[in-house]
Amino acid sequence: NAGVTQTPKFQVLKTGQSMTLQCAQDMNHEYMSWYRQDPGMGLRLIHYSVGAGITDQGEVPNGYNVSRSTTEDFPLRLLSAAPSQTSVYFCASSSTSGGADTGELFFGEGSRLTVL
Amino acid sequence: LAKTTQPISMDSYEGQEVNITCSHNNIATNDYITWYQQFPSQGPRFIIQGYKTKVTNEVASLFIPADRKSSTLSLPRVSLSDTAVYYCLVGSSLWGTDKLIFGTGTRLQVFP
Repeated sequence: NAGVTQTPKFQVLKTGQSMTLQCAQDMNHEYMSWYRQDPGMGLRLIHYSVGAGITDQGEVPNGYNVSRSTTEDFPLRLLSAAPSQTSVYFCASSSTSGGADTGELFFGEGSRLTVL
Repeated sequence: LAKTTQPISMDSYEGQEVNITCSHNNIATNDYITWYQQFPSQGPRFIIQGYKTKVTNEVASLFIPADRKSSTLSLPRVSLSDTAVYYCLVGSSLWGTDKLIFGTGTRLQVFP
């Protein structure tokens, strides 16, 4: 049972380059989200999705795009990377179906991005 | 959105009980309270969740007063491996809270 899988784990970019951070979950969770965590800081919500075809902005959406074409995948795109986007990025998913579920967030292992 | 406030840091010694309080004055009727633990270079992981009164599992207890404007995570007899950052989160994707916003967390340092 893989849970939430993020790729790549590490990435170095130059200013202005674009890239996509991949996130996949195998728990059939409707809810997925992206957070960034800067050194010594808490988690800040970038974008989230409550189901395929539905996305919305979090606290810090500028400079990032997302899409949700399937339940399993929620990629995060940086269109033109900036040094301020150097951070660790976490993808998370949770159930929205109720029942025995607690709605807890399941996190991936993180993707460490450095923008030079 | 229910904003949470926690102490920035706490120190303890091995074997002691640690209580971390979270304030959430504008918690909504449907909001659950969930606590997460995060170790360096890892994603947060679920510790415990509650709605009201007291919840206990194998690693922690969660105390929620009747007005639900605060909650206290209790870690019995901490060890060095409990050194981590602890976050309380108010809301749940189960009940329509879709912007799940974390506070700054409490950094717990356990000394031998």
